Amino acid sequence: QVQLVESGGGVVQPGRSLRLSCAASGHTFSMYAMHWVRQAPGKGLEWVALISYDGTNKYYADSVKGRFTISRDNSQNTLYLQMNSLRAEDTAVYYCARDLGGYFVRRLFDSWGQGTLVAVSS
Amino acid sequence: EIVLTQSPGTLSLSPGERATLSCRASQSVSSTYLAWYQEKPGQAPRLLIYGASSRATGIPDRFSGSGSGTDFTLTISRLEPEDFAVYYCQQCGSSPTFGPGTKVDIK
Repeated sequence: QVQLVESGGGVVQPGRSLRLSCAASGHTFSMYAMHWVRQAPGKGLEWVALISYDGTNKYYADSVKGRFTISRDNSQNTLYLQMNSLRAEDTAVYYCARDLGGYFVRRLFDSWGQGTLVAVSS
Repeated sequence: EIVLTQSPGTLSLSPGERATLSCRASQSVSSTYLAWYQEKPGQAPRLLIYGASSRATGIPDRFSGSGSGTDFTLTISRLEPEDFAVYYCQQCGSSPTFGPGTKVDIK
């Protein structure tokens, strides 16, 4: 059974940094592209970033481009999101999600973690 | 960016009734690139439908999807108690986007 467990969320001041982690188990992590998706309180879902199965290709939403960096360590079955220059509007629950397509990216999310809350506030 | 709108915002129905949810795109979307998710309070979203009409693994056949171009529909043939939730459509283009959601609640 696929399991994704996020960690690293918390309260942070505007302009500061935070790194999220997502520990994967129950599947061959290195065979799948992975995503971060976020949900602001009481709002809908927003895709944040995508990384290919081997980490060579990365894509970002315009709202986070230049501030967030997605990465992965396939030897540790872990996905990361480095978030710099945080803003109030980045406040959200951040989910890691597995891409349905495996090696072939489909930008469909077939397994999700339970999320970690990031609150940006002074 | 492709903008998705969903209607109605809230759908109030009773168990056993049929639910019809609409998703409209700001520009044509290939059927291959349209998906639906279910979200319950305190839980992560769950993939229901992809490719506009293919059910994801383990999804009951009371859930069905249809549509093409700019208009897509999610139908729940007979609502079960566990189906009351928020439903999102998603387009799977180069920059994925979600609709704002339709809440299906108990009448």
